[in-house]
Amino acid sequence: NAGVMQNPRHLVRRRGQEARLRCSPMKGHSHVYWYRQLPEEGLKFMVYLQKENIIDESGMPKERFSAEFPKEGPSILRIQQVVRGDSAAYFCASSLFQGVAFFGQGTRLTVV
Amino acid sequence: GESVGLHLPTLSVQEGDNSIINCAYSNSASDYFIWYKQESGKGPQFIIDIRSNMDKRQGQRVTVLLNKTVKHLSLQIAATQPGDSAVYFCAENIEGNQFYFGTGTSLTVIP
Repeated sequence: NAGVMQNPRHLVRRRGQEARLRCSPMKGHSHVYWYRQLPEEGLKFMVYLQKENIIDESGMPKERFSAEFPKEGPSILRIQQVVRGDSAAYFCASSLFQGVAFFGQGTRLTVV
Repeated sequence: GESVGLHLPTLSVQEGDNSIINCAYSNSASDYFIWYKQESGKGPQFIIDIRSNMDKRQGQRVTVLLNKTVKHLSLQIAATQPGDSAVYFCAENIEGNQFYFGTGTSLTVIP
C-alpha cells in the first residue's frame, strides 16, 4: 500500500507561470489536506477537500490559488501567475474520515 | 494553532537522556491529537496519536500525555537517540475538520 505520493518533488517556475502540484492519497483515503511550509516554520493549512468537494479553503489566498480533488485522479493544487513569495514546500496529507493524516514528501516550489 | 512565522523553539538533549516536548493547543473542542516528526527535507511522519477520552498513551519509546484542563499536550521520548533529531509538531483535530498544527519544536540530540 503506497503512501501519499506527491509530484513533482521539485518544481522551478519563472514569475508569471503556472504551477501544478499533484497529490495521490493513500488507497482508500477520501480526505486530502494541503499545507504550505516556509523554511524553519510550521505547517500552514491551505485547503481541505473530499472527493469532488472543497470542505474548508479558509487558508487559501483569495487569488491565484485553487485546488481540486476529482472523482478520479489525484488532487491538484494550482497556483497561477506565480510570484517569488510563493516559493515554499507544499505538503499534501490524506486520511480516512477521522484518523491519522499521512503526509507525502512534499513539492518544493522555487520561483525564479 | 497556526504558525505565525516565529523561529522554532529548540531543545537540546544528551544521547540517552529522556526528552519532553510540549505543545499548547487552542481549541477546547478538539478531540483528536497527533504528534509528527519532520526530518530535514522530508514530510511529517506520524509518531503517535491520542483521543480526548484518554490522558496517556504509550508507544515504542514514546509517550503522549494529554491535559484537557489546561489544553496541553506533551511528547516524551525515552533514551533519546541521534536519529530522534528532527522538528516535532503536534496537531489537533475536531472530527470532520482540518488538522491544526503547532509551531513545532526542533530537537537536537548531542552524541
